[in-house]
This record gives sequence, C-alpha cells and structure tokens, in this order.
Amino acid sequence: GQQVMQIPQYQHVQEGEDFTTYCNSSTTLSNIQWYKQRPGGHPVFLIQLVKSGEVKKQKRLTFQFGEAKKNSSLHITATQTTDVGTYFCAGPGEGYQLIWGAGTKLIIKP
Amino acid sequence: DGGITQSPKYLFRKEGQNVTLSCEQNLNHDAMYWYRQDPGQGLRLIYYSQIVNDFQKGDIAEGYSVSREKKESFPLTVTSAQKNPTAFYLCASSIRTSAVYEQYFGPGTRLTVT
Repeated sequence: GQQVMQIPQYQHVQEGEDFTTYCNSSTTLSNIQWYKQRPGGHPVFLIQLVKSGEVKKQKRLTFQFGEAKKNSSLHITATQTTDVGTYFCAGPGEGYQLIWGAGTKLIIKP
Repeated sequence: DGGITQSPKYLFRKEGQNVTLSCEQNLNHDAMYWYRQDPGQGLRLIYYSQIVNDFQKGDIAEGYSVSREKKESFPLTVTSAQKNPTAFYLCASSIRTSAVYEQYFGPGTRLTVT
C-alpha cells in the first residue's frame, strides 16, 4: 500500500545548528502537509504544499515540494529551543485519509 | 475560543473493560477523526466521519467503535477486543474530509490498560 517514509527518525543538534527532515512517498502526491508536535502535545499544522517544485518559507523554516511531487523537505536554519519537537509530513492516501510519516524528532543538545 | 476538547487527559483501566474517550469540537467542522499514536511512530487512523450518522473504518479499526450522533461529538470506545490498547489517542477535525484541508487536533488522551 501507499507509504510515506520520513528520515531521519531523530536528529540531535546544537542550538544554532541547522536541521533537515525528509519525506518520501511511494506514489505521486497531490499535496503534502507538515505538522509539528511539541513534547507531550498534539500535532499542529504548519503548512501545505501543492505545486511541483514549490518552496515556502516561514521565518527560519523552509519547506520544499519536489519536482516529481514524491518528496518533500523541511529545513530549519539556526535552531532554537522553541523548535524542539517532532515534525511530521502527511500526504493524501486512499479515500479521505492522510498518510503520516513516522516523524523526525528534533533534539537540542545541552 | 474554538477548538477541540478531549477528556480525560489520562485514563487508567483494567484489562477486559471497555472505555470511552470523549471528543467535542466547536469549529463547525464536518469531518472528525480518531488517531492512535505509539512511541516513535506516526499517527494511525482508527475511524473517521464525514457527516453525522456516518463513519468509516481506518487502518486499525479492529477493537474500536465510534458514533457520530451530533456534529460536535465523536466519541471513541476502546473495547476489550483491542489487544494492545495502551496508547496516546488523538481526535482531530477538518472542515471536510479531504486531504487538502488541515486537521485540527485535540490535546489527546493517554490510555493505560493494565
């Protein structure tokens, strides 16, 4: 069945370093969504990408949708402690379902 | 304030008991969803509902049941048939059922069954 793979599972960075998570789909996606879940919290919608090759920025966060619409990435520049959490991508599956990646946990080293 | 409420935040039950998790939204959204989250994993869809009195099974519906008698409410019952019920349960809603609409999540219920 359709899968959305997300890597890495964890990323440890020093505060101020950059962070990137990658999302790959086994099929072409019409759109992809990104969510952030803080520790102990619930997922919160960040952004949706729809167009091939689309790049969107939110302050230090840059989201990209691949030309073939089968992959996407989230890059955070100069991480801060407020960025800690797990970042999920999700794409449309069968019917009305969203298929979720397993998430990438951003950990700031003390 | 509009949003989704889930109660309780933590729930403890003995094995063999059914338990019902509450989910209420005042966003006037048509679609509602129940997800299960296990440590280190993504969200897995249990059930979803497009409109009142209608709901569909997700990937892991076995051992769970739902009802949608009111637009605002979508309770989930974890039955004794669910083999591994301990997990974090998240309720979500969206304007309509389509993957182009963002989903809004409640704070979740952590269920522990011993």
